[in-house]
Amino acid sequence: QSALTQPPSASGSPGQSVTISCTGASSDVGGYNYVSWYQQYPGKAPKLIVYEVSKRPSGVPDRFSGSKSGNTASLTVSGLQAEDEAEYYCSSYVGANPSWVFGGGTKLTVL
Amino acid sequence: QLQLQESGPGLVKPSETLALTCTVSGGSITNNNYYWDWIRQPPGKGLEWVGNIYYSGRTYYNPSLKSRLTISVDTSKNQFSLRLTSVTAADTAVYFCARLKLETNTLDYWGQGTLVTVSS
Repeated sequence: QSALTQPPSASGSPGQSVTISCTGASSDVGGYNYVSWYQQYPGKAPKLIVYEVSKRPSGVPDRFSGSKSGNTASLTVSGLQAEDEAEYYCSSYVGANPSWVFGGGTKLTVL
Repeated sequence: QLQLQESGPGLVKPSETLALTCTVSGGSITNNNYYWDWIRQPPGKGLEWVGNIYYSGRTYYNPSLKSRLTISVDTSKNQFSLRLTSVTAADTAVYFCARLKLETNTLDYWGQGTLVTVSS
């Protein structure tokens, strides 16, 4: 299985919006609505912020939103805040011989 | 509140076996709504799904690790474990255990992670 493709970096100023893409294939991102996004601060465990493409767990601000088109999923962070500066990873279920795959991660910088 | 805690040696010699245990507290590992996963992260790099196990013992493994990997469960201790044989420096990573919610295929609870270094 191949890792999902994410841009290595993204940036925006406070208050702006940033979108991070996650590209896979029809066997993972395109084939299932089981795309999740995780936020990770240095030295910490990842935290789930979006699941099933566009749903948010309780307690996650609605500034975080997810979507999907074909084999590409996206995470949009609106109204950027300094605390949003972190690494973001997408993940997808892979149906063949069930497994799960992550993207390479995107470092979000708040300018 | 569910908690997961990894434990095991922080240093393993090349060609030897890496063994870690994840202890689950605040919930039962026999809950049929969840799988129990291992994920690793080499220093400065991204996350890699390693494999998982159901309380019945059914496992799924990352194809790239399958020949060296064994994941097991001990329901009496509310623990699950990872064994990775013939390790090399490429297996140096922070190893996380996590809970996979079957309904949504999401990793909703994570341990804090433990660094395992492969070096002589």
